[in-house]
Amino acid sequence: AQSVTQLGSHVSVSEGALVLLRCNYSSSVPPYLFWYVQYPNQGLQLLLKYTSAATLVKGINGFEAEFKKSETSFHLTKPSAHMSDAAEYFCAVKASGGYNKLIFGAGTRLAVHP
Amino acid sequence: DTEVTQTPKHLVMGMTNKKSLKCEQHMGHRAMYWYKQKAKKPPELMFVYSYEKLSINESVPSRFSPECPNSSLLNLHLHALQPEDSALYLCASSQSFVEARTEAFFGQGTRLTVV
Repeated sequence: AQSVTQLGSHVSVSEGALVLLRCNYSSSVPPYLFWYVQYPNQGLQLLLKYTSAATLVKGINGFEAEFKKSETSFHLTKPSAHMSDAAEYFCAVKASGGYNKLIFGAGTRLAVHP
Repeated sequence: DTEVTQTPKHLVMGMTNKKSLKCEQHMGHRAMYWYKQKAKKPPELMFVYSYEKLSINESVPSRFSPECPNSSLLNLHLHALQPEDSALYLCASSQSFVEARTEAFFGQGTRLTVV
């Protein structure tokens, strides 16, 4: 079975500071991993995905994530936070070769202050 | 066009009403999904349609009835809902349900309030 753990339900950073949102996964088969962002009262938007090609994945809005198999992690980073990055971020996993259900983590709310 | 369009954006309904949520995509995707999202929680999968056939029902109460009239449209019919069914209902689509590497595209959601 697959699962995702997002460490830290709330993260607060200053504008211009590094953003680091943590995601650890559990999967018995090679996983596919996704980061989604949700702005208030909106749907989910895909930031980036890992599908077993490059381990460092670049996404939209300056975000990137690195797949580390040894650490079962897929942390999301952005070098310099912007006020517009304030949102809810969800890490999600799907298992290859079978049941194609997207399993979400609990989410991390990112606050950016001036 | 990479959009999933949901209507209405907001819906208030009484417990005896019948209403429908609509979802449309024109990306040629063959899998469509309904999710329910409560406040401060991740989305929870309700139904999956693959090639217009219901593939997954996550033990959803029968007061929620999905329908997929064609490959571009997905409806969710609502009847005799309870106040605890109030939530954001999200529609999503993906190229394939079988191919796990494909990402899901989400609509903006319908904010449902049951009074």
